[in-house]
Amino acid sequence: EAAVTQSPRNKVAVTGGKVTLSCNQTNNHNNMYWYRQDTGHGLRLIHYSYGAGSTEKGDIPDGYKASRPSQENFSLILELATPSQTSVYFCASGAARKAETLYFGSGTRLTVL
Amino acid sequence: GDSVTQTEGPVTLSEGTSLTVNCSYETKQYPTLFWYVQYPGEGPQLLFKVPKANEKGSNRGFEATYNKEATSFHLQKASVQESDSAVYYCALSEPSGSWQLIFGSGTQLTVMP
Repeated sequence: EAAVTQSPRNKVAVTGGKVTLSCNQTNNHNNMYWYRQDTGHGLRLIHYSYGAGSTEKGDIPDGYKASRPSQENFSLILELATPSQTSVYFCASGAARKAETLYFGSGTRLTVL
Repeated sequence: GDSVTQTEGPVTLSEGTSLTVNCSYETKQYPTLFWYVQYPGEGPQLLFKVPKANEKGSNRGFEATYNKEATSFHLQKASVQESDSAVYYCALSEPSGSWQLIFGSGTQLTVMP
């Protein structure tokens, strides 16, 4: 069974602070993704990676950075958090580029005060 | 660009009644179409996917037919159960978008006992 683990599950941050969301996958998948989920918008892609050392911008990358130091780990970094970044964040992994099935973690609920 | 439009929620049904969640898409290519389901407190998971026009996908009593002419992929179930309460996402991926998943906004389904 594919396994994607996110930490923390919940996070409260202050405006202007730095936030790091972590994701670990044990599927040996090349591709990893960060999405945010907001009512009325569904799932929107922030950053993704095709392998260790690579990161690509998704549809809404502004205000976010990503880091993929290894096959297993993919982090999302908010250098200067803002209240508009309050959301639920999901990490996912996938085995192949073409019409792949994504395996999602359980999400991180981030509140920026 | 590519887009997916689905039934706006929330949708509330009684157990044993039938479900249809409409999904329409726009793309210039020939996409693979997906339905994902997200249960409370979890990340989305694949319900099924269909790569070819005029084919049907199914899982757990849900089904959808890839209708290329109508650009639709409506989700149906003949008799819903309380355990089907979840958010349902229609999605597509296709080659000109680097196979990135494009999600609809999601449909919240609540089934009353």
